[in-house]
Amino acid sequence: RKEVEQDPGPFNVPEGATVAFNCTYSNSASQSFFWYRQDCRKEPKLLMSVYSSGNEDGRFTAQLNRASQYISLLIRDSKLSDSATYLCVVSSSSNTGKLIFGQGTTLQVKP
Amino acid sequence: DAEITQSPRHKITETGRQVTLACHQTWNHNNMFWYRQDLGHGLRLIHYSYGVQDTNKGEVSDGYSVSRSNTEDLPLTLESAASSQTSVYFCASSDGQLNTGELFFGEGSRLTVL
Repeated sequence: RKEVEQDPGPFNVPEGATVAFNCTYSNSASQSFFWYRQDCRKEPKLLMSVYSSGNEDGRFTAQLNRASQYISLLIRDSKLSDSATYLCVVSSSSNTGKLIFGQGTTLQVKP
Repeated sequence: DAEITQSPRHKITETGRQVTLACHQTWNHNNMFWYRQDLGHGLRLIHYSYGVQDTNKGEVSDGYSVSRSNTEDLPLTLESAASSQTSVYFCASSDGQLNTGELFFGEGSRLTVL
């Protein structure tokens, strides 16, 4: 079983739609959780951290459920520019700065 | 502006040759990482370093080596390139706050082994 699992998609949605991505992780000792964004043939970049209480950044909302070892990302009012691959990222249990990446979920927003 | 750069950006080599991918960062970060990215696998950690003279193996370290002689550089060497090492390689760095989660990535090096 992979340490971090995501549905690879692709998710094809129209502009303005709301879309949600899910991610599960296997190590209950993981302490830190993030979503990264990766555009085609580019390097990954931090989108947002995920906190236990849930957090929001504009149209993006991230949530964490430690009991179910589940992380989600909600994108409201999708824009064409949101088309990218979204990587779920979890810290290793030893918290040594190592991050474990999911294989990513691809989003394609259509006009 | 501080940055992290990789070279070469594209490389084609033959099986059995030694290849070195360079990574240079001007963030003055202690932590540096090498990942490879392949379809169906996402980013997998090859080697990492927490400071000068420190190196550690990641989950897919076989066939790769790194050295850290200064803060700025972490070159990745493929001792004898194999076709299975055809991939996109990303170098990344982060500062001493290990839980911030912000890895700063280079633009990637696309390696093809024929």
